[in-house]
Amino acid sequence: EIVMTQSPLSLPVTPGEPASISCRSSQSLLHSNGFNYLHWYLQKPGQSPQLLIYLGSNRASGVPDRFSGSGSGTDFTLKISRVEAEDVGVYYCMQSRQTPPFTFGPGTIVDI
Amino acid sequence: EVQLVESGGGLVQPGRSLRLSCVASGFTFDEQGMHWVRQLPGKGLEWVAGITYNGGRREYADSVKGRFTISRDNGKESLYLQMNSLRAEDTALYYCAKDWSNWNFFDSWGQGTRVIVSS
Repeated sequence: EIVMTQSPLSLPVTPGEPASISCRSSQSLLHSNGFNYLHWYLQKPGQSPQLLIYLGSNRASGVPDRFSGSGSGTDFTLKISRVEAEDVGVYYCMQSRQTPPFTFGPGTIVDI
Repeated sequence: EVQLVESGGGLVQPGRSLRLSCVASGFTFDEQGMHWVRQLPGKGLEWVAGITYNGGRREYADSVKGRFTISRDNGKESLYLQMNSLRAEDTALYYCAKDWSNWNFFDSWGQGTRVIVSS
């Protein structure tokens, strides 16, 4: 089973400032097809998770361009260029390179 | 617009059974894989089970293997999770999630149905 870790686990942010979350996997998520099977989700307070970034660096439909994903292999980063108040919540990374199971990171709580 | 509406949760005694349902709309249900993901109280996310578009492949987390069964009825655009021999540690909010394709990642989630296993 691929184990996912995230850092930090808690991230205080300031509106208008950048923010960054790291995600690491115990095995490479890079497929021979060139895609990294790493995805990012945001769970806003009281809501279900929503897809932000898929396959490492692709923004999901409707996701603002202040969100970006990067990385390859075992090290990945989610960046918010300028945090807005609506960005608070818990951010999870998830791998689908080797399943079952699909595995999530522990989550990073982002709060203002 | 994709909609996933779960139902069937509730309070159940340890050792008993429960069946969760998820009704889908807004996409071609019989072309997409589907999954159940749960969130333990105050905790993170745990994938529980997944099924391919035609039901030909079904996979489970080790924690539920042999106790839970995932199924689907494409004619009714519905996903199910039969949960048997329930344990206290199965207490969670259960989400139905749509796969982006057939076995890839989850691009839409329902609002969840809560299961509480307690005597």
